[in-house]
Amino acid sequence: LAKTTQPISMDSYEGQEVNITCSHNNIATNDYITWYQQFPSQGPRFIIQGYKTKVTNEVASLFIPADRKSSTLSLPRVSLSDTAVYYCLVGEISGGYQKVTFGTGTKLQVIP
Amino acid sequence: GAVVSQHPSRVICKSGTSVKIECRSLDFQATTMFWYRQFPKKSLMLMATSNEGSKATYEQGVEKDKFLINHASLTLSTLTVTSAHPEDSSFYICSAGRLAGVDNEQFFGPGTRLTVL
Repeated sequence: LAKTTQPISMDSYEGQEVNITCSHNNIATNDYITWYQQFPSQGPRFIIQGYKTKVTNEVASLFIPADRKSSTLSLPRVSLSDTAVYYCLVGEISGGYQKVTFGTGTKLQVIP
Repeated sequence: GAVVSQHPSRVICKSGTSVKIECRSLDFQATTMFWYRQFPKKSLMLMATSNEGSKATYEQGVEKDKFLINHASLTLSTLTVTSAHPEDSSFYICSAGRLAGVDNEQFFGPGTRLTVL
């Protein structure tokens, strides 16, 4: 399983766009990149998943360069409720599921 | 849809007792469920992969005789912490994948806070 590296913490003001970058230099050909959000004392919640290029859904965008050695989660116009830990995960999808290893995550603090 | 529940949400027990935690996929079938452990201010650590009708696959360093996992049906997996000790106090989280679901995402339960006195 590819190891991921993320900034430990980030601060942002409300209404700003936040970009969190994750490094995964040893990503394998069959690995997908997935981002989860976790609030204290809750289970993680799926945000977005991608394999290459750009993926966008109703809450975020995921940018993946051609070499796939990194990825960037983009959260548009964050609010106070976006304060949480964000995990970048890399893993192969097999049998319909992605087995992943959680890294340290990035603690995002949104400031009023 | 795609809700995973855990029961209990919080449990306090005496050292030496066993504790069972249930993980249920409420509105979908999950042939594979995962069990994680999370210590305060730390990341989630995968403990084992639970497959319906077969033995669980444990990660290196996780004692299978201490953390008994049973996946009896497509909607239920249980984790039993046997002879619990204070160092087993942690936040235990399960997750399930929905077969042929969108994005192959895992759906996580709300977690169970175990405190061993």
